[in-house]
Amino acid sequence: AQSVAQPEDQVNVAEGNPLTVKCTYSVSGNPYLFWYVQYPNRGLQFLLKYITGDNLVKGSYGFEAEFNKSQTSFHLKKPSALVSDSALYFCAVRARNSGAGSYQLTFGKGTKLSVIP
Amino acid sequence: EPEVTQTPSHQVTQMGQEVILRCVPISNHLYFYWYRQILGQKVEFLVSFYNNEISEKSEIFDDQFSVERPDGSNFTLKIRSTKLEDSAMYFCASSLYGLAGGRADTQYFGPGTRLTVL
Repeated sequence: AQSVAQPEDQVNVAEGNPLTVKCTYSVSGNPYLFWYVQYPNRGLQFLLKYITGDNLVKGSYGFEAEFNKSQTSFHLKKPSALVSDSALYFCAVRARNSGAGSYQLTFGKGTKLSVIP
Repeated sequence: EPEVTQTPSHQVTQMGQEVILRCVPISNHLYFYWYRQILGQKVEFLVSFYNNEISEKSEIFDDQFSVERPDGSNFTLKIRSTKLEDSAMYFCASSLYGLAGGRADTQYFGPGTRLTVL
């Protein structure tokens, strides 16, 4: 079974400082990895994904994520946080194999990011 | 930019009643999904749908649930007899590809329907 852990319920960062939201995963074989963001009363918005190749993935709004296979991690990062980045961030994994469970995304419980002015 | 839309945004129903949640996926997408998020908990997969049939479902998706693509644009989730524990935010998603060529195509989510069962 695949799973995602987001060890921090909340991350606080000052505006202009770098931010990191942590994610580790467990999946059989190689993973597809995703980050989504949820603003209040809104749906999940896609930020970025890792499929293969370069371990550093760049996404929307200046976000990037680094895939680390040995640590089974996919941490979300941004060099300079904005107040408007304050939202709920979800990491998700999907198995690469074509067996059962391949279509579904498995989500972490989410990390609330608060950027303080 | 194309979006997934969902109606209604909020549905209140009495326990035991049937509800239908509606979604309009992105027009050229071929794969459709329902997920739910109980307040304060993880987003959970319910079902995936392709070529007019269920391709995968979770253990949550029991006989009380059904999905349908009644026409070329809508994708619906029906809960036949709602229970208190069905109260959640229900998200529809769509993607262009599922597993074709091993591609992990992005699932795009709608804004959700908040279902409240009283």
